[in-house]
Amino acid sequence: RKEVEQDPGPFNVPEGATVAFNCTYSNSASQSFFWYRQDCRKEPKLLMSVYSSGNEDGRFTAQLNRASQYISLLIRDSKLSDSATYLCVVGRSSNTGKLIFGQGTTLQVKP
Amino acid sequence: DAMVIQNPRYQVTQFGKPVTLSCSQTLNHNVMYWYQQKSSQAPKLLFHYYDKDFNNEADTPDNFQSRRPNTSFCFLDIRSPGLGDAAMYLCATSRVSDTQYFGPGTRLTVL
Repeated sequence: RKEVEQDPGPFNVPEGATVAFNCTYSNSASQSFFWYRQDCRKEPKLLMSVYSSGNEDGRFTAQLNRASQYISLLIRDSKLSDSATYLCVVGRSSNTGKLIFGQGTTLQVKP
Repeated sequence: DAMVIQNPRYQVTQFGKPVTLSCSQTLNHNVMYWYQQKSSQAPKLLFHYYDKDFNNEADTPDNFQSRRPNTSFCFLDIRSPGLGDAAMYLCATSRVSDTQYFGPGTRLTVL
């Protein structure tokens, strides 16, 4: 079983749609949580950190449920430019900075 | 302004011919990471440096070595590339337990 699991998709949605991605992690000692965005043939870039209280950045909302070891990302009012792969990322320990990446969920927003 | 620079962006080598990939950073981060990413897969951590301390992942083949001569530079040496080593190689930097910043990657082709 992978330490971080995501539905690879692809998710094909029309512009303006709301789409939600889910992620589960297996290591209960995980301490930090992120969503990264990766465009085709480019490097991953931090989209947002995820906090236990939930956090929002414009059209993007991230939620963390430590009890269920579950992370989500909600994108409202999808834009064509949101088309990318979204990587769920979990930090194992605050001492090493090591990150474990999910394989990513691909989003395609269509006109 | 580029903060994590990787050279070359594209590298073609022959089966068994050693190759060196380089990474430099202007962020003065004390941690540097090397990841391997194959198509439609998650980035896989090969090793990282915490200052001068080298930390190898247990499943990283001996074929992969690294050097960090100073804070700014880190090298990935592939001693005898095989066809299975063709991938994108990503360098990332961070302060410990902080956000990781990725370079644009080097795409390695093995003929």
